[in-house]
Amino acid sequence: DSGVTQTPKHLITATGQRVTLRCSPRSGDLSVYWYQQSLDQGLQFLIQYYNGEERAKGNILERFSAQQFPDLHSELNLSSLELGDSALYFCASSVTNRGYTFGSGTRLTVV
Amino acid sequence: AQKVTQAQTEISVVEKEDVTLDCVYETRDTTYYLFWYKQPPSGELVFLIRRNSFDEQNEISGRYSWNFQKSTSSFNFTITASQVVDSAVYFCALSEAQMAGTASKLTFGTGTRLQVTL
Repeated sequence: DSGVTQTPKHLITATGQRVTLRCSPRSGDLSVYWYQQSLDQGLQFLIQYYNGEERAKGNILERFSAQQFPDLHSELNLSSLELGDSALYFCASSVTNRGYTFGSGTRLTVV
Repeated sequence: AQKVTQAQTEISVVEKEDVTLDCVYETRDTTYYLFWYKQPPSGELVFLIRRNSFDEQNEISGRYSWNFQKSTSSFNFTITASQVVDSAVYFCALSEAQMAGTASKLTFGTGTRLQVTL
């Protein structure tokens, strides 16, 4: 167990739907990062939150949004889903550049 | 902008062979951190090593070793006496200096798939 918990592990949904992915960071880590791993794009940074506030944004689509709650867990919301959104979504947490701890990922399949 | 290049898409070796995975990076920062992660077929990302830009000492951990050369902006990873269990995708990644008390994002290379056969 890495200490970062992602739920659900697998998700199958239809095009046009909306899903929410959840991440609980390692205890004590204030930063949460979301990454998307797809076959054609590799591991892409989506967004970072630090202690509840957005810190950095990557190539995150407008259909996607995220937030970090007071208990530091984070949710990634994906809406109007398309086939191309099928991917493995990772959450990571950190305190400093000493290291990033990754969750086991959520595999999203859009059919 | 930061960039990580792993030119080797896929490498196949026979067990017990040594193999080197290449990583070249680009950054304008003088302070940065380099990482290697392993992604086995099960899909999780496993941390292997972190190196900061001021520490150019090579590191060895069992059968794994890393060669960091700032002059060539490279951070190569060697597996000695490879084993079937080493089969995985290996990612090199870069993060730039911390900003306001928190680590900046990781930028990943495209990964190198290593296949070790008997």
